[in-house]
Amino acid sequence: GAVVSQHPSRVICKSGTSVKIECRSLDFQATTMFWYRQFPKQSLMLMATSNEGSKATYEQGVEKDKFLINHASLTLSTLTVTSAHPEDSSFYICSAPDSGGSNQPQHFGDGTRLSIL
Amino acid sequence: GQQVMQIPQYQHVQEGEDFTTYCNSSTTLSNIQWYKQRPGGHPVFLIQLVKSGEVKKQKRLTFQFGEAKKNSSLHITATQTTDVGTYFCAPSEAGTALIFGKGTTLSVSS
Repeated sequence: GAVVSQHPSRVICKSGTSVKIECRSLDFQATTMFWYRQFPKQSLMLMATSNEGSKATYEQGVEKDKFLINHASLTLSTLTVTSAHPEDSSFYICSAPDSGGSNQPQHFGDGTRLSIL
Repeated sequence: GQQVMQIPQYQHVQEGEDFTTYCNSSTTLSNIQWYKQRPGGHPVFLIQLVKSGEVKKQKRLTFQFGEAKKNSSLHITATQTTDVGTYFCAPSEAGTALIFGKGTTLSVSS
């Protein structure tokens, strides 16, 4: 079945560091990918929609200059957390809708657990 | 996006007991998807419901979509420790992001 690969799975770094997270669709093309953030014991919150060949669409309250999204190809979207601070520590996860047609399930990456010291 | 409310937020059961989580919307939904997230893991797709009044079964799991397509439920019969996790419902529209409910976290003691 369709697989989404997300890397890295875990990052621990100092405050002020920029962190790049990659999301790849392995056996299908994804013109659209979604980035979510999940704080402990909370639901997944949509951050932004990544569109291949155009600018990402950000949800209200999500700083586009803080969370840079690049969808360079039909199989790769990246999320860069710039100058990360402890409050950015969270579980970041991407997803891509199955290309098999409308209303197909979404395939999630394994997520990236980001810890900023 | 369409918002849904899930209840209960937490549920603890003894192994072998049944479990039900409910997903309610104030508006009519086109479709609804259910996901399970194990502790420390990522959401895994369980099912999609499309038709009014639809009932689908997956072994011990029964999913229902209300007649008015405003609510849905997931029922697990005779829970097992492997059922532990958080169950999310999410309305789905073609090509758009999922807007998850807050989820119901199930814990099971043996």
